[in-house]
Amino acid sequence: ELKVEQNPLFLSMQEGKNYTIYCNYSTTSDRLYWYRQDPGKSLESLFVLLSNGAVKQEGRLMASLDTKARLSTLHITAAVHDLSATYFCAVDINAGNMLTFGGGTRLMVKP
Amino acid sequence: EPEVTQTPSHQVTQMGQEVILRCVPISNHLYFYWYRQILGQKVEFLVSFYNNEISEKSEIFDDQFSVERPDGSNFTLKIRSTKLEDSAMYFCASSGLGLAGTYNEQFFGPGTRLTVL
Repeated sequence: ELKVEQNPLFLSMQEGKNYTIYCNYSTTSDRLYWYRQDPGKSLESLFVLLSNGAVKQEGRLMASLDTKARLSTLHITAAVHDLSATYFCAVDINAGNMLTFGGGTRLMVKP
Repeated sequence: EPEVTQTPSHQVTQMGQEVILRCVPISNHLYFYWYRQILGQKVEFLVSFYNNEISEKSEIFDDQFSVERPDGSNFTLKIRSTKLEDSAMYFCASSGLGLAGTYNEQFFGPGTRLTVL
């Protein structure tokens, strides 16, 4: 059974600081996704990582995938308050038939 | 920009009642999904649907659940006899075919909050 673990589960950080969220998974996969969820809202797609070594950046967020280590990271650079949300990674091991989500990382960025 | 839509946004029902949650996937997508999220917890896969049949389902998706694509646009999730523990946010998602026939990313709808009393 695939297990997807994120850490930390909760992250409180000051504006302007950098931090990394980690997503480990237990079974071989070369497809990993990062989503953002605001309270009471749906899941917004942030990044799609489809191969080992994939790195994608959008604004202050950068995601990477190491399929050999079964690890993805979401790096936050110079955080701003607008980044406050819950971030989920999700792994696809079944050719698109289902996503297995991590537990989420709730990020709070304080002024 | 095309998006997945869901109705209703909030459904309140009594335990034991049947509910139908409705979704309109993105129009040229071929794969459809239901997920649920109990308050404060992670998102859990329920079922995937392709070519008018279920292609994958989780342990959560027992005989009380069913899905249907009654016409060319809607995709529904039915819970026959709701239980208190079915209270959750239910998300519909859809995806199309990517390059060279590979699966493409899933786009999620806004969700239906189901409250079972």
